[in-house]
Amino acid sequence: EAGVAQSPRYKIIEKRQSVAFWCNPISGHATLYWYQQILGQGPKLLIQFQNNGVVDDSQLPKDRFSAERLKGVDSTLKIQPAKLEDSAVYLCASSLSPKYPTGELFFGEGSRLTVL
Amino acid sequence: ILNVEQSPQSLHVQEGDSTNFTCSFPSSNFYALHWYRWETAKSPEALFVMTLNGDEKKKGRISATLNTKEGYSYLYIKGSQPEDSATYLCAFCSGNTGKLIFGQGTTLQVKP
Repeated sequence: EAGVAQSPRYKIIEKRQSVAFWCNPISGHATLYWYQQILGQGPKLLIQFQNNGVVDDSQLPKDRFSAERLKGVDSTLKIQPAKLEDSAVYLCASSLSPKYPTGELFFGEGSRLTVL
Repeated sequence: ILNVEQSPQSLHVQEGDSTNFTCSFPSSNFYALHWYRWETAKSPEALFVMTLNGDEKKKGRISATLNTKEGYSYLYIKGSQPEDSATYLCAFCSGNTGKLIFGQGTTLQVKP
C-alpha cells in the first residue's frame, strides 16, 4: 500500500516570497491533516479536512496561509507571503477515522521550509 | 488551552539500557492518546493508540501504559538498540474537540 506522498521535500525561499506544498494521502482515507512542526516544538495542527470540507482551521494564519483539498483527495498548502517564522517542517497526515482520531495517523515525510 | 508535556526533552543512553519517557495531558475529557516514533529523514509512524484507562500495549521491546484519571502515559523501551534512536511524540485527543494535540517530543540517542 502506497504511503502519504508529499512534495517538495525541501524548499528555500526568501521572505515575502510564496511557496506551495502538495500532499497525496493514502487511498480511501477521508481525513487529511496539515501540521506545522517548528524546531524544538511538537507538531501544531494547521488544518483538518474531512473529505473536501474543512473540519478545523482555527490555528491557520489565514492572512498568509491557505489550503484546499480538491475532490476530497490531494491537498495543497500555500504560504503567501512567507515570513521568517514560517521556517518549519510541514507534515501531511491522513486517517481512515472520521473527525475523532481513534485510529492512527499516517504521515508523509514532510516538507522542510527555510525562509531567509 | 490544552497542554501536553513530555519529559525528558532528550535522553542519551548506552546500547542495552532500558529507558522510559513520560507524557502528561489533561485528565478531563479524555478521548485517546497516541504515541509516534519519528526517525530523522523519515515520516512519523504510529506506535500505539490508547483509549482505555489502565491500557497497556506492547510492540516488541516497546511498551506503553495509560492513566487517564491522573493524566499520564509512560513509554518504556527495554534493552535499547541504536535503531531506537528517534524522537518519540505523544498526542492527546480531547473528547470536546476531537483535535489531536502533540507534545514537544523526547529525543532518544542510543550509543553503540
